[in-house]
Amino acid sequence: EPEVTQTPSHQVTQMGQEVILRCVPISNHLYFYWYRQILGQKVEFLVSFYNNEISEKSEIFDDQFSVERPDGSNFTLKIRSTKLEDSAMYFCASSWSNYNQPQHFGDGTRLSIL
Amino acid sequence: DQQVKQNSPSLSVQEGRISILNCDYTNSMFDYFLWYKKYPAEGPTFLISISSIKDKNEDGRFTVFLNKSAKHLSLHIVPSQPGDSAVYFCAVAIYNQGGKLIFGQGTELSVKP
Repeated sequence: EPEVTQTPSHQVTQMGQEVILRCVPISNHLYFYWYRQILGQKVEFLVSFYNNEISEKSEIFDDQFSVERPDGSNFTLKIRSTKLEDSAMYFCASSWSNYNQPQHFGDGTRLSIL
Repeated sequence: DQQVKQNSPSLSVQEGRISILNCDYTNSMFDYFLWYKKYPAEGPTFLISISSIKDKNEDGRFTVFLNKSAKHLSLHIVPSQPGDSAVYFCAVAIYNQGGKLIFGQGTELSVKP
């Protein structure tokens, strides 16, 4: 069964450094998402992306965050200048449609900011 | 953000019995409701969903019920198996907000042999 893959599985970065998290969505999917889960908290929506544009973003997704689909297969989340509070699990998801179709998630990247 | 709530952090059930997981939501405009299962060190895995125009959807051992008047969603697993032990999240989708999902806090299900 096709799946969403995320790399790396664990990223350790110094505070203030830039980090790029990578995702390969399911190949025929058109909608792409990033979520995060801080330890002990809910899974939170960050951003949705369709047709090479952000369609919705949360208040968490400030100017330090950006997303890109640099080619036909990858979908990336960049955090420009990381803060301690960015430490979390980051999940990428994709779906064929944003109407009555489930989002399928990758196994996440654990981001640790030192 | 308390739009989606799972009030039971944990549930323990005997193998072969029914597991019932519950979820309450606040906004009657939510469009689509989903259940995900999550094992440690893995991402959420889609289990079953229901649109706002239905009140029941069944897939094998899993049935989701939607009570719109009570703003209540439930997942029934019958019979429960030890492999069902995981954290279960309910989620709601909002189409006019980019299809974003809002998750509950999760319920940890333990199925004992």
